[in-house]
Amino acid sequence: GQNIDQPTEMTATEGAIVQINCTYQTSGFNGLFWYQQHAGEAPTFLSYNVLDGLEEKGRFSSFLSRSKGYSYLLLKELQMKDSASYLCAVKDSNYQLIWGAGTKLIIKP
Amino acid sequence: ETGVTQTPRHLVMGMTNKKSLKCEQHLGHNAMYWYKQSAKKPLELMFVYSLEERVENNSVPSRFSPECPNSSHLFLHLHTLQPEDSALYLCASSQDPGQGAEKQYFGPGTRLTVT
Repeated sequence: GQNIDQPTEMTATEGAIVQINCTYQTSGFNGLFWYQQHAGEAPTFLSYNVLDGLEEKGRFSSFLSRSKGYSYLLLKELQMKDSASYLCAVKDSNYQLIWGAGTKLIIKP
Repeated sequence: ETGVTQTPRHLVMGMTNKKSLKCEQHLGHNAMYWYKQSAKKPLELMFVYSLEERVENNSVPSRFSPECPNSSHLFLHLHTLQPEDSALYLCASSQDPGQGAEKQYFGPGTRLTVT
């Protein structure tokens, strides 16, 4: 079966750095997405990786290792507004998105 | 980015009721999706429409019935639901579901409670 694993919940301090990991086992691979979802709101796109390596976008970076079936989302200079759930999703060989259950990130002052 | 709207935002219905969820996308996309989001569970893809034709139906019970009258509108008709159907129902759209880099744009969801 297809599976995406990510931690259920993480806590970090304002101004610090946090890394959210995602491991996947899917039938084929056509890219990995990270989405952010604030409570009661729509998921919004953060990043897309299809090649190995690090993609940096401001305070957020996303890393992919296809050989290891592994990705992480790195958030720097954490702000209170970064408190949200972070969803990892992989497009399989049928271009269908397979989703993880999400990681709830709690930022403390 | 917004651009995908859903109504109603909240819905409480009894198991014998019939109701409909509505989704509208203002992005000119060709594909629309219905997802179910339950607490601490992955998003479950329910239906996919591409160019108004249903291309995916992931073994969803017949008490959920989708309708896509045009590429901008998507409905989910509900009848004789069960309490376990209580969840957040998300609508999404994308330009081309067959492209790897194509991201999906989500609406804010309808919080459904079945009593």
